[in-house]
Amino acid sequence: NAGVTQTPKFQVLKTGQSMTLQCAQDMNHNSMYWYRQDPGMGLRLIYYSASEGTTDKGEVPNGYNVSRLNKREFSLRLESAAPSQTSVYFCASSEAGIRSPLHFGNGTRLTVT
Amino acid sequence: KQEVTQIPAALSVPEGENLVLNCSFTDSAIYNLQWFRQDPGKGLTSLLLIQSSQREQTSGRLNASLDKSSGRSTLYIAASQPGDSATYLCAVTAIRGGGADGLTFGKGTHLIIQP
Repeated sequence: NAGVTQTPKFQVLKTGQSMTLQCAQDMNHNSMYWYRQDPGMGLRLIYYSASEGTTDKGEVPNGYNVSRLNKREFSLRLESAAPSQTSVYFCASSEAGIRSPLHFGNGTRLTVT
Repeated sequence: KQEVTQIPAALSVPEGENLVLNCSFTDSAIYNLQWFRQDPGKGLTSLLLIQSSQREQTSGRLNASLDKSSGRSTLYIAASQPGDSATYLCAVTAIRGGGADGLTFGKGTHLIIQP
């Protein structure tokens, strides 16, 4: 069972470069999320999509954009990367919002120099 | 704003011991509470989900309890094994509002089981 798949696993960018983090789930879940995890800060929500066709900002959306391409896929784009965006990014999905268990991908470790 | 605290931040115990991890939250108006496990370099794996109307949930050697009125949850691990070494996080879901920002994570307890 694949669950939630994130690509790439690792990425190094230079300041100002752009990139898109990909996420796909095969559990037919309605809701999808992007979190970042930083030492001492815990998990912080960047954007989420409650259902196909909707997206909403989380706690730390600045510098990011998202696209819910279809029910399976939810991508996160950094338009102009900054060193402050160095982090581990996790995608997650759930059947129906945060009241159902979240399933996480294995993360993308991003370094911005 | 909901705050979730996990104490201790790190714990090291010999194999075979029973142990308790703690999670406290400031707003008792929660819908449910989840315990997750995170292995190094991996994502979070959901272990147990307790609804606000429940007192505890069990899965194998794991037992999670919830005392909503006092804002506390514990994760009990029986007969610990080296394979239990990981970071354990709890997360609470607020009743109010429907947005995903109603899910608040603690920073985790890093657990090491010594062989």
